[in-house]
Amino acid sequence: GAVVSQHPSRVICKSGTSVKIECRSLDFQATTMFWYRQFPKQSLMLMATSNEGSKATYEQGVEKDKFLINHASLTLSTLTVTSAHPEDSSFYICSARVGRLGNTIYFGEGSWLTVV
Amino acid sequence: AQSVTQLDSQVPVFEEAPVELRCNYSSSVSVYLFWYVQYPNQGLQLLLKYLSGSTLVKGINGFEAEFNKSQTSFHLRKPSVHISDTAEYFCAVSDRTLTGGGNKLTFGTGTQLKVEL
Repeated sequence: GAVVSQHPSRVICKSGTSVKIECRSLDFQATTMFWYRQFPKQSLMLMATSNEGSKATYEQGVEKDKFLINHASLTLSTLTVTSAHPEDSSFYICSARVGRLGNTIYFGEGSWLTVV
Repeated sequence: AQSVTQLDSQVPVFEEAPVELRCNYSSSVSVYLFWYVQYPNQGLQLLLKYLSGSTLVKGINGFEAEFNKSQTSFHLRKPSVHISDTAEYFCAVSDRTLTGGGNKLTFGTGTQLKVEL
């Protein structure tokens, strides 16, 4: 079946540095990808919708300058957490929609970010 | 806008017993409905989804869910659980009127299913 891969699965970075998380659709084209974050014991909260070749659409309350999203190709979207702080520590998950009008979505394995 | 309520944060159950995980939603428009499972330290895996047609939906691993429009519910059931079903289960909805349907998902807070011997 279709697979979405995230890398890295775990990353620890120092406060003030930036970290990039990749989300790849391995055997299908994804014109739309979604980025979520999940705090411990809580649900997933949509951060932004990433569209190939255009700017991401951010949800209310999400700082676009802090969470940079790039969707440069049909199989890759990246989330860069800039000037990370300990409160950015979270589980980040991406999902990718199959095709342009499909309603099938596959999730990546997630990336644990710890900012120390 | 939509919202999803999963009233049970934790559900303990003995192995081979039946289980029901409750999900209620609120929406001003028609929705698609989903159940996802999250095993420890892993991403989400789709269990089943309701798009249209029969209100009883069968998914993977022996799970099924029934869409009840009048009660705005989409409860997840399994007649006999296994230890391996221990995981976090999330109910989600998406706006049916949006192009492509399953776009932005609104998740419930999740239900931790703990299967005991």
